[in-house]
Amino acid sequence: DAKTTQPPSMDCAEGRAANLPCNHSTISGNEYVYWYRQIHSQGPQYIIHGLKNNETNEMASLIITEDRKSSTLILPHATLRDTAVYYCIVRPQTGANNLFFGTGTRLTVIP
Amino acid sequence: GAVVSQHPSWVICKSGTSVKIECRSLDFQATTMFWYRQFPKQSLMLMATSNEGSKATYEQGVEKDKFLINHASLTLSTLTVTSAHPEDSSFYICSARGLGGEVYNEQFFGPGTRLTVL
Repeated sequence: DAKTTQPPSMDCAEGRAANLPCNHSTISGNEYVYWYRQIHSQGPQYIIHGLKNNETNEMASLIITEDRKSSTLILPHATLRDTAVYYCIVRPQTGANNLFFGTGTRLTVIP
Repeated sequence: GAVVSQHPSWVICKSGTSVKIECRSLDFQATTMFWYRQFPKQSLMLMATSNEGSKATYEQGVEKDKFLINHASLTLSTLTVTSAHPEDSSFYICSARGLGGEVYNEQFFGPGTRLTVL
């Protein structure tokens, strides 16, 4: 699986948009970009995933650059409950793949 | 939908005893379940891949005789930590990969089990 690079930590003011970047310059053509988050002492929670088009769901938006070498997860209106570690993972959608978690980005939403 | 449960959510045991952790997919079937371990302030590390009806595949450095995995059905996998020691204290998390339909090949995580060995 391709490797990802994320900043170790970020702060965001409550109510503002949180933009979390991820670099995946070695991503392969069949690999999707997945985002999970882990709130303290809980299991990871799926947020969103995409291949090359931008995606949006009730939790977040995913913006993938045209060359697919980087992406940004956007939480449009961050709340205190969004404080968590956010993991960007690239993997094929099919096949016997587990998920390789890097160090992620620790997002702290500040009141 | 796509809920994974773990039991117990936390356990404290004495050194030398064995502890069993259950992972269940509640509303979908999963031929493959994964077991992760997470130490404080660290990321999740894959321990083993569990396939229904067959032996688990362990990651390098994980002792298969110490961490026994049984995957007896499409909705249940168990991890038994045998002869637990304080260094086995950790947060154990399972995930289940969907067999078909909308959950096909997607992974869903359990809430985790915190093990403390005294």
